[in-house]
Amino acid sequence: AQTVTQSQPEMSVQEAETVTLSCTYDTSENNYYLFWYKQPPSRQMILVIRQEAYKQQNATENRFSVNFQKAAKSFSLKISDSQLGDTAMYFCAFPSGGNNNDMRFGAGTRLTVKP
Amino acid sequence: GAGVSQTPSNKVTEKGKYVELRCDPISGHTALYWYRQSLGQGPEFLIYFQGTGAADDSGLPNDRFFAVRPEGSVSTLKIQRTERGDSAVYLCASSLGGRVEETQYFGPGTRLLVL
Repeated sequence: AQTVTQSQPEMSVQEAETVTLSCTYDTSENNYYLFWYKQPPSRQMILVIRQEAYKQQNATENRFSVNFQKAAKSFSLKISDSQLGDTAMYFCAFPSGGNNNDMRFGAGTRLTVKP
Repeated sequence: GAGVSQTPSNKVTEKGKYVELRCDPISGHTALYWYRQSLGQGPEFLIYFQGTGAADDSGLPNDRFFAVRPEGSVSTLKIQRTERGDSAVYLCASSLGGRVEETQYFGPGTRLLVL
């Protein structure tokens, strides 16, 4: 079964500092994609970053980067220079496998950036 | 262009009633997804449309739930004989072609409360 685990229900960070959110997953697929989505209090889910499993290089999008460890099935999100607008729920997600497009989401980590 | 929109934003109904939730995807997106998000949880997949057809409805919890997309654009999620356990935020998302690596663009959701 495809599972996604986020073990940190809540985290906080001071503005301008760096924070890392953890995610582990389980899949029998060899080639897949992993995603981090952000859900601010407004509720609208937004894609933060995407990683292709067959690429060894970690994805980076401005202040957001991932640490992808395929053998360990770990996919953590690092936010550098945290900003107040980063306050949100963060969900790790990946498609269930094969041609299935149903996205499996973790339970989420609530991140609070403090001024 | 406009993003994914969902109506209504909030819906309060009584146990046993019938409800319809509407989703307007991004114009030109052939893939449309419905998710359900319970309080404090990540979104849970319900159904995926490719064009007018339901390509994967494995996430629908029971036969009280049904969804249609008759013209390949707007979709309606229908819930019969609502139960209190159906209370949740129902999220809709769309993607361009339905490939697993594509970004899913989410709407703001409909918050359903069954009394």
